[in-house]
Amino acid sequence: NAGVTQTPKFQVLKTGQSMTLQCAQDMNHNSMYWYRQDPGMGLRLIYYSASEGTTDKGEVPNGYNVSRLNKREFSLRLESAAPSQTSVYFCASSDGLGRQVYEQYFGPGTRLTVT
Amino acid sequence: AQSVTQPDIHITVSEGASLELRCNYSYGATPYLFWYVQSPGQGLQLLLKYFSGDTLVQGIKGFEAEFKRSQSSFNLRKPSVHWSDAAEYFCAVGGRRALTFGSGTRLQVQP
Repeated sequence: NAGVTQTPKFQVLKTGQSMTLQCAQDMNHNSMYWYRQDPGMGLRLIYYSASEGTTDKGEVPNGYNVSRLNKREFSLRLESAAPSQTSVYFCASSDGLGRQVYEQYFGPGTRLTVT
Repeated sequence: AQSVTQPDIHITVSEGASLELRCNYSYGATPYLFWYVQSPGQGLQLLLKYFSGDTLVQGIKGFEAEFKRSQSSFNLRKPSVHWSDAAEYFCAVGGRRALTFGSGTRLQVQP
């Protein structure tokens, strides 16, 4: 039981390049999330997927796209990377949405640098 | 919209001393509340959670937190800090879409 896995762990991009961050969970969770973490700002929600086949914007979606490939996998794509997207990216999953979100389980993160 | 405030950016305590990390939240109903810990270069690990019931909740690694509705607070405590507790701690509240996190408190432990 690996929990939430993310690839790659580290990535350096040049401005304008594209890349996809991969995330998979083996806990049979319905909901998956992408956050970015920047110093002094906590974690900010980029996109989330309440269930397979649905995706919605979070707090900071500009410059990103997502795909919920199946129940297990949720990818985040940067179409044209910018230095402002230098950050640590975390994927998370949880056991669905009710009145409020239950606890989330996090992957180890991807450290992305855009030069 | 919900929000979380962690007023202390950085705290230093001596090993063996007690610890309290502050968290204040804003939410329109009874909140689901969480504390997570992040060691350097790692992901976030859930320490404890509050959904309802007893306002004093126990977590892993000897941590506990107390929900005080009148003060909109959910402070994290530990009676005796160990050097391995040095990390960043995040308080979060459950919204309808996702968790909302505070900006974190970095804990340093002096020998």
